[in-house]
Amino acid sequence: DVKVTQSSRYLVKRTGEKVFLECVQDMDHENMFWYRQDPGLGLRLIYFSYDVKMKEKGDIPEGYSVSREKKERFSLILESASTNQTSMYLCASSSSGRALNEQFFGPGTRLTVL
Amino acid sequence: AQKITQTQPGMFVQEKEAVTLDCTYDTSDPSYGLFWYKQPSSGEMIFLIYQGSYDQQNATEGRYSLNFQKARKSANLVISASQLGDSAMYFCAMRDHGSSNTGKLIFGQGTTLQVKP
Repeated sequence: DVKVTQSSRYLVKRTGEKVFLECVQDMDHENMFWYRQDPGLGLRLIYFSYDVKMKEKGDIPEGYSVSREKKERFSLILESASTNQTSMYLCASSSSGRALNEQFFGPGTRLTVL
Repeated sequence: AQKITQTQPGMFVQEKEAVTLDCTYDTSDPSYGLFWYKQPSSGEMIFLIYQGSYDQQNATEGRYSLNFQKARKSANLVISASQLGDSAMYFCAMRDHGSSNTGKLIFGQGTTLQVKP
């Protein structure tokens, strides 16, 4: 079974804090993704990575950065958290070697910035 | 630009009845894939069904089927014999040919389905 885990289910941080969200997958997937989910907006892609140390901006990268030092781990960093970054954050991974290439998701981290 | 539209923010269905969740898409790429995901209240996204743009037949997976109308650019999800456990948010997503290696998806806004006993 593919498993994608995220470091926290719930997180409360203060404005200005540096926040790290960690994601780990155990299926040797090449691709990893970070989304944020807000009511009425669906899932919006923040960043994705198709290989170790490789990253590309998604649709809403402002205020975020990412790190992928190992294939199984993809970190999302909020350099200086702001209240408008309060949201649900979802990590996903997929293989690049299959025609279907469906994304497998973690349980999500609900982040509140006060 | 690619786009996915789900026009039904919320739907109700009686238990054991069938329900259709709408999804329309826009892309200029002739090769693309369409996905449906389910998100229960627990938050985890669950992959349900996939339709490739060149697939000759509509995809089916158990009680899920995809009503794929290519000329209309629609990919509606049909859930037959609804169960209480089907209550969840459902997302339609698209991957175009240019993203076939990265697996990058574009998601719709989602539809919340509530199944009534």
